[in-house]
Amino acid sequence: NAGVTQTPKFQVLKTGQSMTLQCAQDMNHNSMYWYRQDPGMGLRLIYYSASEGTTDKGEVPNGYNVSRLNKREFSLRLESAAPSQTSVYFCASSDGESYNEQFFGPGTRLTVL
Amino acid sequence: QQQVKQSPQSLIVQKGGISIINCAYENTAFDYFPWYQQFPGKGPALLIAIRPDVSEKKEGRFTISFNKSAKQFSLHIMDSQPGDSATYFCAASVDSGYALNFGKGTSLLVTP
Repeated sequence: NAGVTQTPKFQVLKTGQSMTLQCAQDMNHNSMYWYRQDPGMGLRLIYYSASEGTTDKGEVPNGYNVSRLNKREFSLRLESAAPSQTSVYFCASSDGESYNEQFFGPGTRLTVL
Repeated sequence: QQQVKQSPQSLIVQKGGISIINCAYENTAFDYFPWYQQFPGKGPALLIAIRPDVSEKKEGRFTISFNKSAKQFSLHIMDSQPGDSATYFCAASVDSGYALNFGKGTSLLVTP
């Protein structure tokens, strides 16, 4: 039982390049989330998927797209990376039931030069 | 707009002391208040959570105190240990919703 896994762990991109961050969970959770964490800013929600087949914008969605590939997997895509997207990205999942306890992955540290 | 305000930004406590982190919120619809703990290089993990129908919840050395009228809640770490050194985030959400609104975090250092 691996919980929430993310790949890659580290990535360096040049401005304008694209990439996809992968996330998978093995807890049979309905809901999945993408956050970014920046120093002094806490965790900010980028996108979430309440259930398979649905996605919704969070607090900071600009510059990102997501795909809920199936119940297990939720990917985050940067189409044209910008230095402002340098951050640590966390994927999380929850069963979508009451109290919304979210389980986080280990994170992807992304640097955009 | 930050929906949950957390203080202090950083905290240094001696081993055996009490660590106190405070959070305040404005949205009266919030009815779930978790605290997350994050060690360097790791993702956050749920530490303890409370609902507003109780004023206090204790799990081991960790206690949440909740003041509904003041719209404030706090985390108390009793007998703080060097292993408690981490970043702590408070959060709040509406039970039926999906978004956890996080505070900006408190970096706790417990000195030997």
